[in-house]
Amino acid sequence: DTGVSQDPRHKITKRGQNVTFRCDPISEHNRLYWYRQTLGQGPEFLTYFQNEAQLEKSRLLSDRFSAERPKGSFSTLEIQRTEQGDSAMYLCASSFRVSTNEKLFFGSGTQLSVL
Amino acid sequence: GIQVEQSPPDLILQEGANSTLRCNFSDSVNNLQWFHQNPWGQLINLFYIPSGTKQNGRLSATTVATERYSLLYISSSQTTDSGVYFCAVEGKLTFGTGTRLQVTL
Repeated sequence: DTGVSQDPRHKITKRGQNVTFRCDPISEHNRLYWYRQTLGQGPEFLTYFQNEAQLEKSRLLSDRFSAERPKGSFSTLEIQRTEQGDSAMYLCASSFRVSTNEKLFFGSGTQLSVL
Repeated sequence: GIQVEQSPPDLILQEGANSTLRCNFSDSVNNLQWFHQNPWGQLINLFYIPSGTKQNGRLSATTVATERYSLLYISSSQTTDSGVYFCAVEGKLTFGTGTRLQVTL
């Protein structure tokens, strides 16, 4: 069990560019979540997958954001035409859900800075 | 949606002291978890505790679901306990604003 892995650890980009982040969950975890965290705040839910199906997207997730989890393994989060307001820590978490018992494990996050 | 409030917002302790962190939530929950975010940003899951009491070393947690609150106890605090403690509820996890803890020598 190597834990949840996120790549890259840091990303600096210019406004208007596209960026893509990757998350590798704990193997055999069936759920994968994306969160966003800004300074001084708790993480905010963006979207989640059960296996390869994207089950819910937050209203925070504008049309410029898209997430995929092909084959129910790793996931990618893409932000198109980045804006300065997108600067934040993007966190991925995974879990193995059994009924309502669901403990989440987080990766180290990708810190995005949009200049 | 469900509201999660944590108190106190900030806490400074001397090493060896004990503390209690509180989490209030506005509706009944089936899932409540406590996390520690260390100074490097890593979120560590401390407890999954929708009800009852659990202990893990110097840490313990109690959730009284009928009264909609949970408590995290830290005993004999160490400098490595510094960071932000979050309470989060329900499946998609709604996080509170956290308690920032600083443990000094």
